[in-house]
Order: sequence, then C-alpha cells, then structure tokens
Amino acid sequence: EAGVTQFPSHSVIEKGQTVTLRCDPISGHDNLYWYRRVMGKEIKFLLHFVKESKQDESGMPNNRFLAERTGGTYSTLKVQPAELEDSGVYFCASSQSFSAYEQYFGPGTRLTVT
Amino acid sequence: GQSLEQPSEVTAVEGAIVQINCTYQTSGFYGLSWYQQHDGGAPTFLSYNALDGLEETGRFSSFLSRSDSYGYLLLQELQMKDSASYFCAVSGFGNYGQNFVFGPGTRLSVLP
Repeated sequence: EAGVTQFPSHSVIEKGQTVTLRCDPISGHDNLYWYRRVMGKEIKFLLHFVKESKQDESGMPNNRFLAERTGGTYSTLKVQPAELEDSGVYFCASSQSFSAYEQYFGPGTRLTVT
Repeated sequence: GQSLEQPSEVTAVEGAIVQINCTYQTSGFYGLSWYQQHDGGAPTFLSYNALDGLEETGRFSSFLSRSDSYGYLLLQELQMKDSASYFCAVSGFGNYGQNFVFGPGTRLSVLP
C-alpha cells in the first residue's frame, strides 16, 4: 500500500509569489489533514478534510492560505501571496476513520520564502 | 481549546531508560497519542492511550492518567536510532468536532 505522498519536497520562492503544495493521501482514507512545523517548533494543525468537505479550518493562519480537495482524493494548499513567516515544513496526513488517532504522515514539503 | 506541555530536551545514554512527560488541558478528551519524528522525516505513530494505564509496544510504553491530565512515553533499552523528537498529541473535541493537537515536542538525544 502506497503511503501519503507530497509534492514538491522542497520549494524556494520569493516573497509575494504563489506556491501550491499537493498531497495524495492513502487510498481510501477519507480524512486528510494539513499541518505546519515552523523552525523546529510544534506541529501546528491547519485544517481537516472529510472527503471533499472542510471539517475544521480553524488553524489556517489567514486568507492567504487556501486548501482544496476536489473529488475527495488529493488536496492542494495554495499560499498567495507568500510571506517570509510562511516558511516551514508543511505536512499532510491521512486517516481512515474520523476518530482515528493514528494518522499517516507524508514526508512534508519544505517551503522557504525569501 | 487544547494546550500541551512537554520538556523541550532530554538526554540519555545507550541502554538507559527515559521517560518523556506530557501534561494537557483540553475541552473534551478522547485520547493521547505519541509520535516520533527524526530530523528531516515525517512524524510516525508510536502509541495511543484512551484509558488510564500502561500500554506496552516492544521497547516503548505509554501511560495515561485522565484524572491528572497527564501521560508519559517510556523508552527502554535506548538505542542511538531513538534520537529524535517525540510529540504527544491530544484527540479532543473542539468547536468543529473532534480535533487533534500536538504538543511542542521533546528532542531526545541518545549518547554512546
């Protein structure tokens, strides 16, 4: 069974540019989560999809961040326009059931905004 | 909301036993999970406690006391490969239903 995949693995962009991160969850996992880890600090929750619906987006920092999950399969996270403080590692995770405590994480996308 | 506290760093030698504590505050609680993350890697699930007591999985054990809002991860027979960050995470109930909040992480360094 393939794990959670994320693309790209690294992205370096300039302040003001746009970047789109992609996450492919494990097949059959309805629940998809986005997290961010900044400068080795805690893993901060961004949002949670159940299939194509946003269950909880309370962790999204501001309206420069837009997440979508069309068709309930892969998800994208767009940052537009990017700011310096958006730098960090963005992780995607998926789980099979809504109450799952075991989430499967992707390798992350390291975003650097210069 | 939820908040969690963990020690920022722990150092131990190979073969030793180390305990990483986690205290939490949450509105609504389902359980406490532990994840391991090596530098540059993805967090990987280690264990989960929904009920009070000790759960053992090989060299790793996890404990929960719901009345004390406290848990710990116990690592035995430490190996160099155990050097990593360890996160506790609470499954709780937020404004939008069940949510999942990570602690700040504890960096474990295992010395030869």
